[in-house]
Amino acid sequence: EDKVVQSPLSLVVHEGDTVTLNCSYEVTNFRSLLWYKQEKKAPTFLFMLTSSGIEKKSGRLSSILDKKELFSILNITATQTGDSAIYLCAVPKTGGFKTIFGAGTRLFVKA
Amino acid sequence: SQTIHQWPATLVQPVGSPLSLECTVEGTSNPNLYWYRQAAGRGLQLLFYSVGIGQISSEVPQNLSASRPQDRQFILSSKKLLLSDSGFYLCAWTASGETQYFGPGTRLLVL
Repeated sequence: EDKVVQSPLSLVVHEGDTVTLNCSYEVTNFRSLLWYKQEKKAPTFLFMLTSSGIEKKSGRLSSILDKKELFSILNITATQTGDSAIYLCAVPKTGGFKTIFGAGTRLFVKA
Repeated sequence: SQTIHQWPATLVQPVGSPLSLECTVEGTSNPNLYWYRQAAGRGLQLLFYSVGIGQISSEVPQNLSASRPQDRQFILSSKKLLLSDSGFYLCAWTASGETQYFGPGTRLLVL
């Protein structure tokens, strides 16, 4: 059965800390992995990863994919209170119509 | 630019009452449309998706149904709500790619 597993499920850090969020997957005919950030309402797109070893970066956020070991990490450096959110990892299934989401990592950054 | 609307934003309904949630997309044609439910502390569960008018695929057998009467309109319905239907309902769309764009969501509480 296809699945996407995220860890940890929740995390509390202080401002300025660096965090690493993990996502492992088992999905047949893998094509891409996506990261979303969900604050109070709708998830917003962060990154899409398709190739192993190529880091995607946006400001203090970066992500990388390992297609051999079937996982991805999302790094956030110098965390700020505005980074507090649920971070979702998602893998589209073959055909692109269905996407499997992980349960998410709930990050709380203390001032 | 594309925008996605959902309403209502919040809803409190008694058990056994009917439900109708609406989602509309602007600025694009022939989108793939999705309904997800997110229970508290959980990931996104795909309920329905649609690749065109009148075409609905159901992922989870339950007392919910979906309809797509127009290209950019997606409706989630129930004839009789259950307590377990409480949750956060998200509508999303994709064009030809795999990145999903989410609406603001409807928070449903069934009492």
